[in-house]
Amino acid sequence: DTAVSQTPKYLVTQMGNDKSIKCEQNLGHDTMYWYKQDSKKFLKIMFSYNNKELIINETVPNRFSPKSPDKAHLNLHINSLELGDSAVYFCASSQDPLAGGPKTQYFGPGTRLLVL
Amino acid sequence: ELKVEQNPLFLSMQEGKNYTIYCNYSTTSDRLYWYRQDPGKSLESLFVLLSNGAVKQEGRLMASLDTKARLSTLHITAAVHDLSATYFCAVGQYTGTASKLTFGTGTRLQVTL
Repeated sequence: DTAVSQTPKYLVTQMGNDKSIKCEQNLGHDTMYWYKQDSKKFLKIMFSYNNKELIINETVPNRFSPKSPDKAHLNLHINSLELGDSAVYFCASSQDPLAGGPKTQYFGPGTRLLVL
Repeated sequence: ELKVEQNPLFLSMQEGKNYTIYCNYSTTSDRLYWYRQDPGKSLESLFVLLSNGAVKQEGRLMASLDTKARLSTLHITAAVHDLSATYFCAVGQYTGTASKLTFGTGTRLQVTL
């Protein structure tokens, strides 16, 4: 069973389009995250949700809007796509980071977005 | 702002050799993670280090944490080709209501025959 899954795996689109990426986890975790990995492999957190509540919102353009319909799902909608949005977007999940334990984040397979 | 630096950025080593990857971070943290990423793949958790002096080993990889020096190391013993990948360290921080990871730049390891 896939622990953290994302769809689609690849996304090729034109500048100016709107697209969504979906993420689901079956680990029973309370917290989910979106990361962006650029062409130099640098990973940076974008958002985090805990039990459907937004708890981390890094400096990300307003064109990016996360939504969490329940604690097992976290989607990312991107409006008016730009060339610089081309990257790999990873979803991750963990136990509640404010609870005890290692709070390891488990990553999905990634969505490779190419904006033309 | 927390900065996490890894070195080297790229490491080419022969099978059978030993080497160490270093991860330095700029502010206090009580959690340090190591991840592995194969080309075109996701990140796989390798180690979680939760206290000063923590050492963990799995196969040919051993990770350690010195919170006073703000340094973690990933030591590779007798490298084999299968260890070729990019290795990331990540530092955990509490922000009051949340916890987030700040990743290092990654070390691309290439093990040659």
